[in-house]
Amino acid sequence: SQQGEEDPQALSIQEGENATMNCSYKTSINNLQWYRQNSGRGLVHLILIRSNEREKHSGRLRVTLDTSKKSSSLLITASRAADTASYFCATDASNYQLIWGAGTKLIIKP
Amino acid sequence: SQTIHQWPATLVQPVGSPLSLECTVEGTSNPNLYWYRQAAGRGLQLLFYSVGIGQISSEVPQNLSASRPQDRQFILSSKKLLLSDSGFYLCASAGASGANVLTFGAGSRLTVL
Repeated sequence: SQQGEEDPQALSIQEGENATMNCSYKTSINNLQWYRQNSGRGLVHLILIRSNEREKHSGRLRVTLDTSKKSSSLLITASRAADTASYFCATDASNYQLIWGAGTKLIIKP
Repeated sequence: SQTIHQWPATLVQPVGSPLSLECTVEGTSNPNLYWYRQAAGRGLQLLFYSVGIGQISSEVPQNLSASRPQDRQFILSSKKLLLSDSGFYLCASAGASGANVLTFGAGSRLTVL
């Protein structure tokens, strides 16, 4: 079953601008992860934030987690054309399964 | 780091024909393995997962089956394909890191006509 919900469903911005995507979930989690999927390809893991963390950085990526609101955000700074992709959040609430959102489609215009 | 090999990349099959998608994993031992299906523009639906050889759990009733004959081999099968089986199939592996971080194959696009 799907528990994560990303918004917006689609986002189109100019190259160089920042992109923010949000994810909401319903149950308690161990961690929350963000993945990127280029069109027609497999997903690539970007970053993981644990339930006891509030913010995490990796290069141009910044992830926040608010467990009281059951939400997370992914910020991509100084966007590039190569960032064009779909971005998915996934929550880990058990040993074996991730629960996936429907994704945000990000388009970076040159 | 893990590498997932998944094949075939593209498959066009008639209704009623059999299916076999294969996935092999390099770079880890005793991984948890997963088969997902992704409809166009949508998220991932978990079909099967396996925590060891011969151990398969199914998440949704369906026309498909999975097998794990070897530690790092995961196969998705069907005896008779339906139109609704069309989609993008992804194999994934979670290694021994402790956190459930997945490495994905490149995917197999199945079109049933």
